Amino acid sequence: EVQLVQSGAEVKKPGESLKISCKGSGYNFTSYWIAWVRQMPGKGLEWMGIIYPGDSDIRYSPSFQGQVTISADKSISTAYLQWSSLKASDTAMYFCAREEYSNGRSAYYFDYWGQGTLVTVSS
Amino acid sequence: DIQMTQSPSSLSASVGDRVTITCRASQSISSYLNWYQQKAGKGPKVLIYAASSLQSGVPSRFSGSGSGTDFTLTISSLQPEDFGIYYCQESYSIPWRFGQGTKVEIK
Repeated sequence: EVQLVQSGAEVKKPGESLKISCKGSGYNFTSYWIAWVRQMPGKGLEWMGIIYPGDSDIRYSPSFQGQVTISADKSISTAYLQWSSLKASDTAMYFCAREEYSNGRSAYYFDYWGQGTLVTVSS
Repeated sequence: DIQMTQSPSSLSASVGDRVTITCRASQSISSYLNWYQQKAGKGPKVLIYAASSLQSGVPSRFSGSGSGTDFTLTISSLQPEDFGIYYCQESYSIPWRFGQGTKVEIK
């Protein structure tokens, strides 16, 4: 069974650093892109960026480039999202999602999602 | 960047009703359009990919259509468990964009 299990909720102060994780199991972790998606309180979904754990190829949304760092450790089937200096506006739920590719339709979509990590940044 | 606009923002319908949600892209995205359902506090669940392909395990009352800039998600007979927020998402060009969501409530 494919699973993406994310690290637990975090409460941080502005200016602190943070690294959250997403551990994949039940499939070949190195063969699928993993994306990070932000959902601010009461708002919609925003695609932040994506990593291919097989070779650590990374693509960022321009909205998040320079604001976060995406990485992965394929030896432990885990992807990461990190901040060097959190702001109150980083308060949100963060999801990781596996990107599937349909050969028949030549299309990408997110077929498995983590349970989400709630990050609260408050002084 | 491509912008995705859904309508309506919310709807309330009775069990058994036919429900249609639309999604419009700001430029042609061919058939690179996916639909997700999200329930409170959970990660989204894919329903339809590539505009009209039903994801394995998803009930056949869900269907998708469209290409280019205009797409629809149809629930042929609304069931009590279909409440939640529905999002469209384009996978034509990075950064992938989501619509703002449509909240579906059961009357």
